[in-house]
Amino acid sequence: GENVEQHPSTLSVQEGDSAVIKCTYSDSASNYFPWYKQELGKRPQLIIDIRSNVGEKKDQRIAVTLNKTAKHFSLHITETQPEDSAVYFCAAPATSGTYKYIFGTGTRLKVLA
Amino acid sequence: DSGVTQTPKHLITATGQRVTLRCSPRSGDLSVYWYQQSLDQGLQFLIQYYNGEERAKGNILERFSAQQFPDLHSELNLSSLELGDSALYFCASSKGGHNAETQYFGPGTRLLVL
Repeated sequence: GENVEQHPSTLSVQEGDSAVIKCTYSDSASNYFPWYKQELGKRPQLIIDIRSNVGEKKDQRIAVTLNKTAKHFSLHITETQPEDSAVYFCAAPATSGTYKYIFGTGTRLKVLA
Repeated sequence: DSGVTQTPKHLITATGQRVTLRCSPRSGDLSVYWYQQSLDQGLQFLIQYYNGEERAKGNILERFSAQQFPDLHSELNLSSLELGDSALYFCASSKGGHNAETQYFGPGTRLLVL
């Protein structure tokens, strides 16, 4: 079925601390997992993505890890800064044979200065 | 700037009316997706087009329709508008329309139905 669960729905961290957001998907054939950041009133912007042939990908302070066995993937932000405050969405392909992907419900991250 | 353009940026209209939202994909992208985002909500997939043809459908109401033209721009038509249709409507585009591709989002159209 088509389902992407995202946790937590809200997350507050102190500036400089790390933040972790986790998503679980249902289709074991899923092979592409993007993460988007959406600032208030703005468009979702891709910040990092991972394909199923790797377990981890890093880009400066941002990393994504993928556990295909458990069918979950996580976004890790280290040394958080106030400008990291936004809503983060994960996504995963919908059921095999379709062309769309399903977005998680979003995590509102607040970085406290 | 993602390269995806949407017009208009804002739209205010009354219940019962009809509006058309327009989207131009990034250069070279053949697929267009439409999403609805209500206040503080997630992204609800409405419909996808690839090279002029409908490819996937989400929970799109019968009052809503869309199409993709030969020049690849797309229009989303919303009719018999209700208060609950007030939302941000995003268009996204990707190269081949496969679900293993990155989708790039436009700036959105904010619709307010009074």
